Amino acid sequence: DAGITQSPRHKVTETGTPVTLRCHQTENHRYMYWYRQDPGHGLRLIHYSYGVKDTDKGEVSDGYSVSRSKTEDFLLTLESATSSQTSVYFCAISAQGRQNEQYFGPGTRLTVT
Amino acid sequence: AQSVTQLGSHVSVSEGALVLLRCNYSSSVPPYLFWYVQYPNQGLQLLLKYTTGATLVKGINGFEAEFKKSETSFHLTKPSAHMSDAAEYFCAVTLFGNEKLTFGTGTRLTIIP
Repeated sequence: DAGITQSPRHKVTETGTPVTLRCHQTENHRYMYWYRQDPGHGLRLIHYSYGVKDTDKGEVSDGYSVSRSKTEDFLLTLESATSSQTSVYFCAISAQGRQNEQYFGPGTRLTVT
Repeated sequence: AQSVTQLGSHVSVSEGALVLLRCNYSSSVPPYLFWYVQYPNQGLQLLLKYTTGATLVKGINGFEAEFKKSETSFHLTKPSAHMSDAAEYFCAVTLFGNEKLTFGTGTRLTIIP
């Protein structure tokens, strides 16, 4: 299994509070991704990173920000959580030259009450 | 932009029967196509992929898929279903040099004993 961990694995938070999810990899892969998974929608890309301090938006980026200060860590922040952000969040990584092959972390289940 | 459509959000088959999960793609240029599997409470795992070359690709756990350009399809099959195949399956598409995947909405496979 690819060395990807996500923390926390479960979180319940209140509307309006900030939340940060962490993705950590031990593979030294260049590319990292954040997705959300919702019933009927499959996986949708929130943000991705193609290197340290290099990030770009995905299809559902509103309300989310990311940071990547080290190769191994990719942080996803909800500045002010809303109930519509209740979801399961997955991090994925891929290697330079093999960016089509993505390897996924175990996910974080976030509930916003 | 490329996209995939998975026909049937739920599929049930008897143990030992043929598994057929359908995926059709839309792309103006030759696509790269993937199947991922997600077991309960886990992340996604790459099952198989088509990039170029042989149109019949074999993956893990006895699954295979055939790229049919004329039908814009990439259906996933397995000759004989096993109870351990119960999971959700996602088709995904991208293009050469593109670091982002576009996922379908998923098909949940149930195996009937």
